[in-house]
Amino acid sequence: AQSVSQHNHHVILSEAASLELGCNYSYGGTVNLFWYVQYPGQHLQLLLKYFSGDPLVKGIKGFEAEFIKSKFSFNLRKPSVQWSDTAEYFCAVIYNQGGKLIFGQGTELSVKP
Amino acid sequence: EAGVAQSPRYKIIEKRQSVAFWCNPISGHATLYWYQQILGQGPKLLIQFQNNGVVDDSQLPKDRFSAERLKGVDSTLKIQPAKLEDSAVYLCASSFNRDTDTQYFGPGTRLTVL
Repeated sequence: AQSVSQHNHHVILSEAASLELGCNYSYGGTVNLFWYVQYPGQHLQLLLKYFSGDPLVKGIKGFEAEFIKSKFSFNLRKPSVQWSDTAEYFCAVIYNQGGKLIFGQGTELSVKP
Repeated sequence: EAGVAQSPRYKIIEKRQSVAFWCNPISGHATLYWYQQILGQGPKLLIQFQNNGVVDDSQLPKDRFSAERLKGVDSTLKIQPAKLEDSAVYLCASSFNRDTDTQYFGPGTRLTVL
């Protein structure tokens, strides 16, 4: 079955620490990969996406993600987090260009000032 | 550019009652999605429309849920009768086209079924 797994349910970091959030997806054909973020009290918004080409994708607010096809992974990274990065992060996949986003369960990130 | 609008933002009902949610997508977006997000989980697609036609409703509990998108713009999602397990946030999203375009999400409607 097509599925997405996020490794951590809740991550707590201090400001300036580096961040890496894991995301793995099951095999199911061609994939398009996304990271969405939900800040407290706000709606889901796109952080970055990968369709093809350079597997290292840069998004907004200094975030980047690397697509490793052999590992079925699409991990999110940021070299130095800020308190304002406190949010819930969702990895999502579209299989075979069907339009249907399949989400992971989310990772809550808390950044201590 | 105006975003995806949803109403109401919050709704509390008793089980076995009915409820309806409304969504207005971004102007010009042909594809509209309804997702259900249960607390602690990621959103799950309920139904996808392309203009006013249904593309995918495989995960919609059709015995109690229904949705329509008349005229290919606004959409309503209805639950009748509601069950306790329907308590969730109902998210509407839209995209320019179906395949791989970015989906833009509305603020959601938080439903509590007592």
